Amino acid sequence: GAVVSQHPSRVICKSGTSVKIECRSLDFQATTMFWYRQFPKQSLMLMATSNEGSKATYEQGVEKDKFLINHASLTLSTLTVTSAHPEDSSFYICSARRDFGETQYFGPGTRLLVL
Amino acid sequence: GQQLNQSPQSMFIQEGEDVSMNCTSSSIFNTWLWYKQEPGEGPVLLIALYKAGELTSNGRLTAQFGITRKDSFLNISASIPSDVGIYFCAGHEGGSEKLVFGKGMKLTVNP
Repeated sequence: GAVVSQHPSRVICKSGTSVKIECRSLDFQATTMFWYRQFPKQSLMLMATSNEGSKATYEQGVEKDKFLINHASLTLSTLTVTSAHPEDSSFYICSARRDFGETQYFGPGTRLLVL
Repeated sequence: GQQLNQSPQSMFIQEGEDVSMNCTSSSIFNTWLWYKQEPGEGPVLLIALYKAGELTSNGRLTAQFGITRKDSFLNISASIPSDVGIYFCAGHEGGSEKLVFGKGMKLTVNP
């Protein structure tokens, strides 16, 4: 199956700092990548959809200026949590797919803890 | 937004028993997917269903795409301790590219 990686796997930062999370498709080119957030004991909630070379589409209630998404190549998307606050602490998961209608493959997730 | 109704929310079973879980939606879905998530990991795809009525197996797992296109079930036969985890159903509603997830079912298998 297709492999998607995320880096870092976990990060602890101080309130007010920015954190960048990388999502890479290792063995295929992903035209679209998705970013999800998962709070403890809850389901995955889609934050934004990112197509290579274009601006991300954010879900309702997700601040685009706080969660900056860049999809500069067909194998890399980044999520930057700007001016992080404790309430941003969560498990962030990306997924990637080759083309429209194809299966999404998920990364292993990044645990963010903001102190 | 749309969220799938997944049940049961949790199950405690003995090793060797079968498990069944299902998902329903209020609208038509074009695909149904079943994922397993272990603590601290991302979801791993178990089975993907693309046609109404489709019945697909993957080892001890069997899943079906309901003929109404509004439901799906997943069965696990002869459970083993490594089956523990959270199982999520997910699907694409209509022609949407977005995946909608169920709330998950936490499975515990007692050896």
